[in-house]
This record gives sequence, C-alpha cells and structure tokens, in this order.
Amino acid sequence: GAGVSQSPSNKVTEKGKDVELRCDPISGHTALYWYRQRLGQGLEFLIYFQGNSAPDKSGLPSDRFSAERTGESVSTLTIQRTQQEDSAVYLCASSSYSGRAFFGQGTRLTVV
Amino acid sequence: AQSVTQLGSHVSVSEGALVLLRCNYSSSVPPYLFWYVQYPNQGLQLLLKYTTGATLVKGINGFEAEFKKSETSFHLTKPSAHMSDAAEYFCAVSSAGTYKYIFGTGTRLKVLA
Repeated sequence: GAGVSQSPSNKVTEKGKDVELRCDPISGHTALYWYRQRLGQGLEFLIYFQGNSAPDKSGLPSDRFSAERTGESVSTLTIQRTQQEDSAVYLCASSSYSGRAFFGQGTRLTVV
Repeated sequence: AQSVTQLGSHVSVSEGALVLLRCNYSSSVPPYLFWYVQYPNQGLQLLLKYTTGATLVKGINGFEAEFKKSETSFHLTKPSAHMSDAAEYFCAVSSAGTYKYIFGTGTRLKVLA
C-alpha cells in the first residue's frame, strides 16, 4: 500500500482480555517498529524487527506483551491480560535502508 | 547505547517569534538525527533529518536544525512562528546499519496570537 496501515484504529477492551494490534508496513521496508504513546507522554520504544534478524525486544514492558512479524510483511502486537495502564496509542512504523521511518496512524487502545 | 533528551515538554511562542526546540543526544557511534512533527489528530511526519554531510539541515515548513557534535545537540529552529506550527515535535536518534530509532519525550509547541 501507499503507507503504513494499522488496524483497528480504535479498540476498547475489558481489563483482563487479550488484544491483537495489526500493522501492515510499506512494501519493501525491511525494518518495522512498534512504539507506545501514553496520554501526555512521549514515544516509548517497544520492539524492532529488521529483516530476518532476531527482533530487539528490549522495550517490551512486561511478558504480557509480544509481537510477531512474518518475513518483511505484517506484524502483530499482542497484549495479554490487559491492564488499565496499557491504555495508549500504539504506533507502528517501517523504514527502508534510507533510514526515514513512516508511521501509521496508530491504534488507540482503551482498557476499561 | 543511544538516548535523546528534549528540554521543555511545553514551549509557547508568539506568532512571528523565533521557534527554538532543544534536543540533545547521546550516542557511542556517529548518529543519524531526526525531527518528527505530530499535528493534532494526525500521524507522525518527518520534518528533517541529518545523516552525513552538511550540518545545517533544512526541512519542510521553514524549519531547520543544526548538528553540533561538540555540544551533542540537534536543536530545531524556525525564524518566524506561524499558528499552523502548533503541534508536538519529537527528536529521534538512530545510526547507520541499525534503523532503530530512539525518540525523545516530545515538546508541545503552542503559538500565541
């Protein structure tokens, strides 16, 4: 597609439920990133995929968070047993070798 | 390890005044530096980037930034603020071969009439 696509755009879930957030990167982009932006705060790095290398998971806040990416295509961020503190906008970005990252519009997650 | 510090989570300027948003970085390798802007209800957009070469980088909408290695800074400036510049601005650092971005916490710019 023309840009990075994220779905759903909004998600309201009950505390304790699992959620899956999807990211479709720009075709041909080898790198894919997930960030979290809590209300009034900056971007928090979560995880980074680069080609077939092992992902950099150093930003995942707990073992309830996981992400997968198949090859250089779609990525899924999964949050298990959601907590209210997980409420945030989850941003996905992809980039090519040029280094410029293109961001999706984000998924706004609300845990009630 | 790399890190980014943005001084001032909120900055207010009068319309027509100079805009200065501060960014300092830490990097053990030559950095790639970026400024991104997030307008209300929109996604992040690249304003400008420095990778190699000229240290003064010009971006969109009249913004520019200067890479100063001795000061480990990459401050964003615009000579004359416009109401449409009101947004949140993020500084980010990366490096060649990693593609991993580390973002600052952001600076929300308010432009006063």
